[in-house]
Amino acid sequence: AQSVAQPEDQVNVAEGNPLTVKCTYSVSGNPYLFWYVQYPNRGLQFLLKYITGDNLVKGSYGFEAEFNKSQTSFHLKKPSALVSDSALYFCAVRDAFSSGSARQLTFGSGTQLTVLP
Amino acid sequence: DAGVTQSPTHLIKTRGQHVTLRCSPISGHKSVSWYQQVLGQGPQFIFQYYEKEERGRGNFPDRFSARQFPNYSSELNVNALLLGDSALYLCASSLGGFPHEQYFGPGTRLTVT
Repeated sequence: AQSVAQPEDQVNVAEGNPLTVKCTYSVSGNPYLFWYVQYPNRGLQFLLKYITGDNLVKGSYGFEAEFNKSQTSFHLKKPSALVSDSALYFCAVRDAFSSGSARQLTFGSGTQLTVLP
Repeated sequence: DAGVTQSPTHLIKTRGQHVTLRCSPISGHKSVSWYQQVLGQGPQFIFQYYEKEERGRGNFPDRFSARQFPNYSSELNVNALLLGDSALYLCASSLGGFPHEQYFGPGTRLTVT
């Protein structure tokens, strides 16, 4: 079975400071990892993904994430936070070798990011 | 280009009724997935369709069914609605299977009373 944990329900950071939103995962094989952002009353927007290759992945709006296989983590980062980054962030995983009914994307419970002006 | 569209935006139903939700994928996308998002939780996978065939099914009862049409649009049907079915239903499309990223629609907010 595959699973995702986002240990922090809420992260607060001051505008201009770096931000980190944490994610750890569990899969049987190799992971496909994704970050999505959700604004109020909206669907999810894709930020970035890790499939293979370079452990540091760069995505939309200045976000990046670092894949760490030994720690089974995929933390989302941004060097300088903006008030407009305030939203709900979801990490998601899928086992690269899953099939049939296991061929699904599993989401974490989400982390509410608030950037304070 | 238009993104993923879903209809209706909001829906109120009574327990025991059935509901049909609709989704139109991004042009050129052949895969559609459905998710249920209960307030305060992450989306839960319901179905994935690719080229009109079911490619995956999540842990949902048989009251939930879906299909994909030749134009790649999709319907999600829920029969015998329960109060617990109240949620935001999200549709996502992608070019194909993984590792292509999924693009989500705005969702349909279903309230069961």
